[in-house]
Amino acid sequence: QVQLQESGPGLVKPSETLSLICAVSGFSIISDHYWGWIRQPPGRGLEWIGSVYLSDNTFYNTYYNPSLNGRVTISVDTSKNQFSLSLTSVTAADTAVYYCASQGIAVAGIEYYFDYWGQGTLVTVSS
Amino acid sequence: ETVMTQSPATLSVSPGERATLSCRASQSVSTNLAWYQQRPGQTPRLLIYGASTRATGIPARFSGSGSGTEFTLTISSLQSEDFAVYYCQQYNNWPPLTFGGGTKVEIK
Repeated sequence: QVQLQESGPGLVKPSETLSLICAVSGFSIISDHYWGWIRQPPGRGLEWIGSVYLSDNTFYNTYYNPSLNGRVTISVDTSKNQFSLSLTSVTAADTAVYYCASQGIAVAGIEYYFDYWGQGTLVTVSS
Repeated sequence: ETVMTQSPATLSVSPGERATLSCRASQSVSTNLAWYQQRPGQTPRLLIYGASTRATGIPARFSGSGSGTEFTLTISSLQSEDFAVYYCQQYNNWPPLTFGGGTKVEIK
């Protein structure tokens, strides 16, 4: 059974860096699929943050939402079967529930919708 | 960026009735559209991908249709557990992947 679990600090100070980890179990992240981060401010809708693609050759590539103005980095630790999010120079507007999710792993081929989601973690930006 | 617009923002429906939710894209997304359900306090759940294919374990009362810029999610007979917020997402023109603002289905 595929499971994703986010972890990281629940409180980050303005101007600092938000760092989260998504631990994946039940499925290898080196699988010719995308893995993504999505966030949801309290009471609002969903916003895609970025995605990382990993292949069997351990090649990986990343794609980010331009609206985040270059503040996002997604990295991978294949030895731990996990991927991470880093968001720099945070403000109160970055307060949200952050989700990690797989993209189309239940089907063959490369897909871009989100099929398995973590439970989400609330990150509050406040001094 | 492809902007996704959902309507109505809120839909009031009685249990057992049909609900029809709309999603419009600012440019063609072919059939590269997904629908998600988010119950209060829960994680989004994939319902439909490819505009009309139900995800694993999704009841047949959920159906999706459309292509290009106009899409519909229909719930044929609303059950109590279907009262939730529904989001559409396009994955044809990216980055960025974009979601609609959501439709809340509430009990009438």
